[in-house]
Amino acid sequence: QKEVEQNSGPLSVPEGAIASLNCTYSDRGSQSFFWYRQYSGKSPELIMFIYSNGDKEDGRFTAQLNKASQYVSLLIRDSQPSDSATYLCAVGGVTGGGNKLTFGTGTQLKVEL
Amino acid sequence: KAGVTQTPRYLIKTRGQQVTLSCSPISGHRSVSWYQQTPGQGLQFLFEYFSETQRNKGNFPGRFSGRQFSNSRSEMNVSTLELGDSALYLCASSPWGLANEQFFGPGTRLTVL
Repeated sequence: QKEVEQNSGPLSVPEGAIASLNCTYSDRGSQSFFWYRQYSGKSPELIMFIYSNGDKEDGRFTAQLNKASQYVSLLIRDSQPSDSATYLCAVGGVTGGGNKLTFGTGTQLKVEL
Repeated sequence: KAGVTQTPRYLIKTRGQQVTLSCSPISGHRSVSWYQQTPGQGLQFLFEYFSETQRNKGNFPGRFSGRQFSNSRSEMNVSTLELGDSALYLCASSPWGLANEQFFGPGTRLTVL
């Protein structure tokens, strides 16, 4: 089992719709959760982070965390073609050797006109 | 504030050579992490430096090494290059450390021939 799992996609949604991206993780001790957006040929860009159970909203983006189910999601409302990118979920925590941050392999999102 | 900068942006080397990549973090950030990104393996953690000390290390061979200077700038060195080392090498800086928000530089694209 991978430490951080994401559906590779592509996830296709029409313009204006809600895109829902999901991520599960295996380490119950994980403490911090991040969503990065990566356009083709570019580096990852941090778009959301969440540390507590529940929802966190920032503009068109909402991050949702459920630690009991070990599940993190990202909702993108009113999806735009410019949202087409790969979305990386990252999970942070503490190990015996220090901190760690593990990335999923990403979900490709395509927003269609 | 200026973002994370990485030099060089592109590099072509041959097998057996060594290479040094440089990263300047966001002003005030003391944590610098390095990642290797390939299409097959995704984003993999190499190591993290905080206040000139290597604080966390991923599962890469000893050919991969790094260091951090007193001004928080960091360098990564790869010796005896192999074809499989061809990748995008990303540096990320953080005010607090590995399990917190990371801000990525544009990356160095290394091609090993």
